[in-house]
Amino acid sequence: AQSVAQPEDQVNVAEGNPLTVKCTYSVSGNPYLFWYVQYPNRGLQFLLKYITGDNLVKGSYGFEAEFNKSQTSFHLKKPSALVSDSALYFCAVRDMIGRRALTFGSGTRLQVQP
Amino acid sequence: DAGVIQSPRHEVTEMGQEVTLRCKPISGHNSLFWYRQTMMRGLELLIYFNNNVPIDDSGMPEDRFSAKMPNASFSTLKIQPSEPRDSAVYFCASSTRQGANTEAFFGQGTRLTVV
Repeated sequence: AQSVAQPEDQVNVAEGNPLTVKCTYSVSGNPYLFWYVQYPNRGLQFLLKYITGDNLVKGSYGFEAEFNKSQTSFHLKKPSALVSDSALYFCAVRDMIGRRALTFGSGTRLQVQP
Repeated sequence: DAGVIQSPRHEVTEMGQEVTLRCKPISGHNSLFWYRQTMMRGLELLIYFNNNVPIDDSGMPEDRFSAKMPNASFSTLKIQPSEPRDSAVYFCASSTRQGANTEAFFGQGTRLTVV
């Protein structure tokens, strides 16, 4: 079985401050990990993914994520938040064998205050 | 590419009626997924196809739900009869190959309201 936990329903941060959205995963074997963003009334947009190699992955719109195998975490980060980053963020996991489709977390709403 | 195309964008129907949601995946993608999003349950996988063949339909709620993929460029999700608890946003997504490290691309979704 594979699962994802996003422990925070909402994260509030002031514009210009660094942001972190947390994600932990559970999967048999090694994982592929993904972050998606959803704006109101839109579909999910891919941000970045971890496959293998460097634990720090850089993605779209200045976002990055750090893979930590010992903590089974894949937290999303950005050095300086923008008001336009306010959205719903989803972490997702798939085992490397790929027998199942992506499993998504419950989502974290990011609110960036001006 | 136009991306994954879903129709209709919004659907309002009466309880007991048949509802058909449609999806056109990205050309060249051979994996297709149907997800349902609700406030209570988040994003749930309903079914996915690989090369037009259903691989995992364990997420389909009950026999009222059925999905088909008659060819590589078209899929449908049908609910018959519909119930108010089916109200949700239904997303279709596609990717180049199930089992690989490829991301899925999502359509805009169909917001279904059953009254």
